[in-house]
Amino acid sequence: AQKITQTQPGMFVQEKEAVTLDCTYDTSDQSYGLFWYKQPSSGEMIFLIYQGSYDEQNATEGRYSLNFQKARKSANLVISASQLGDSAMYFCAMTTLTYGNKLVFGAGTILRVKS
Amino acid sequence: SAVISQKPSRDICQRGTSLTIQCQVDSQVTMMFWYRQQPGQSLTLIATANQGSEATYESGFVIDKFPISRPNLTFSTLTVSNMSPEDSSIYLCSVTQTSGRNNEQFFGPGTRLTVL
Repeated sequence: AQKITQTQPGMFVQEKEAVTLDCTYDTSDQSYGLFWYKQPSSGEMIFLIYQGSYDEQNATEGRYSLNFQKARKSANLVISASQLGDSAMYFCAMTTLTYGNKLVFGAGTILRVKS
Repeated sequence: SAVISQKPSRDICQRGTSLTIQCQVDSQVTMMFWYRQQPGQSLTLIATANQGSEATYESGFVIDKFPISRPNLTFSTLTVSNMSPEDSSIYLCSVTQTSGRNNEQFFGPGTRLTVL
């Protein structure tokens, strides 16, 4: 079975500082993908970043980077230089080879950026 | 990335009625999915919409309650049948692209459904 755990229900960060959102996963598959999505209050799901299980380097997309620690089964999202517009819900999700391209989501973390 | 639209964006419906949600993509995609997000919750997969054949439903979801069509590679519909207040949720379709980079999955803007 596939499972994603996000242990931080809510986080605060000061504007312009960096923040790390935690995500751990559980799967017996060797081939899997890890995703982060941002969901603002409007409800849309915005794709941020992807990490494949065989990727040796941590994924980066602009101010977003994924701290992938395979042995620990963690895939933390790091947002650098936080902006007020980063305030949103953030979801970690996973697909596995066995489960096809179907996403399994964590519970989410609400991030609030303070000015 | 694929541009995905959903109609309606929101609706308020009466108990016992049905609502059909449309998902349109601007390019051909390999896979289309329907997710539900109940208030304050995470996303849960309802089913995979298969082109030209019956959808594949996840545990806890049945075709009679959530019939799905996918007549071609760019369009799908989800119907929420015989609605009750417990069906109040955001319904989202997602797609993977045939030539997508790194298995990226993109979501439509969602349909916010309230059942009275």
